[in-house]
Formats: sequence, C-alpha cells, structure tokens
Amino acid sequence: DADVTQTPRNRITKTGKRIMLECSQTKGHDRMYWYRQDPGLGLRLIYYSFDVKDINKGEISDGYSVSRQAQAKFSLSLESAIPNQTALYFCATSATDGRVYEQYFGPGTRLTVT
Amino acid sequence: EDQVTQSPEALRLQEGESSSLNCSYTVSGLRGLFWYRQDPGKGPEFLFTLYSAGEEKEKERLKATLTKKESFLHITAPKPEDSATYLCAVQSISGTYKYIFGTGTRLKVLA
Repeated sequence: DADVTQTPRNRITKTGKRIMLECSQTKGHDRMYWYRQDPGLGLRLIYYSFDVKDINKGEISDGYSVSRQAQAKFSLSLESAIPNQTALYFCATSATDGRVYEQYFGPGTRLTVT
Repeated sequence: EDQVTQSPEALRLQEGESSSLNCSYTVSGLRGLFWYRQDPGKGPEFLFTLYSAGEEKEKERLKATLTKKESFLHITAPKPEDSATYLCAVQSISGTYKYIFGTGTRLKVLA
C-alpha cells in the first residue's frame, strides 16, 4: 500500500461549492504539507503543519483552509471553490529530528472547478 | 528572496545521448537541495538530497552534483523510461524550513 494516500483522485465541482481533499500517511512523519501544481508555475505551498497543534500558512493560502485531525491525517478545504483553483493538488510528508529530510508525495488530486 | 530556477524547460534526447539538467538557486543559507522525478499525473518521487558544495550522489544512470550556486543532474546513456519531469527543490536555513521548488525540466528520451 502507498505510504501517502489522497482522496479523491479526481473531482469536478462547481463554482461556490465547498470541497474537502483528504490526505493520510503511514510513514509516521510529523510534518505534512499541501501544494498545488499549475503548468509553468511549479509546486506552490498552500499550508504546512509541523505537528497536530502547529499549522502555518504557505505562500498561497487565500481561499483555502486546513485541518490536522491526527498525526496521520491532514485535510485541505476550499470553502467556496472558484475556477482559478483548478489545479493538481499534492499532499506531502517529511520526517524531522533537526536534520534535513526529503518529502514524500501522495499521488495527487486533480480538481476542476467549473 | 529564496529562488530556484531550472533549465532547460524541456529537453529531447536520443536514447544513449548523455546530457545534464541545471538547477540554479539563491538562498540565504542552504540546508539541503533535493531532486525529484515526476511522471505525468503522479506525485514527485524522491531521487537525491545534497547538503554541501562538492557533494555527489549517484543512482543508476543519474548523478547529481552541487556547487555553491547550482546543481546538475547528469543523465548518462538515457533510456526511454527516463522520460519524466525532473524537479529541483531547496530547503533554506531561514524562516520555517519550507521547501522551494523549481518549475522542472521535462525530459523526453526517444528510442
């Protein structure tokens, strides 16, 4: 089974709808991240969480909110979806003990807002 | 401002034709530089971490190197299965240890 899973994998929704993307991990990592990827813009950080009680905004948090329900679960919500939120969304995790660690990514959620 | 620039944006190679991808970075202090491979419609897959200038890492046909301003991903005798987008990212010592990604190089290896 995959270490980082995301649901749904694909979602089409309408402008103004609320939508939640979910991420679960079995790697035991404390740190979790949400990114969006757009052609030509690369991966941009939306929110990140260093533990259950620590949540931080990334570079493009407007229009998004998150919830860290447990060490292994990190959800991303779009309160009122708009077409320019159409993108590929990735969840990622990383370990931490003061050293530098790589991130592990989920398979992504392709979101289309019409 | 911390920044990562990758070049070229796209690269087409014949099978067996070696080449290099570039990742130039500007950070206040480098904690680590990462290379990832991303296949279409999938999440990035970790390849290497480099920590300091002069360091090199190898995996099969790939070798990553690091200087104080840039990193190279050398691909030796590539095969069609090496076709993917290769992403570079850096982690800075400033702020909150976020990762800054480049926009990637799309590599196509022709048989």
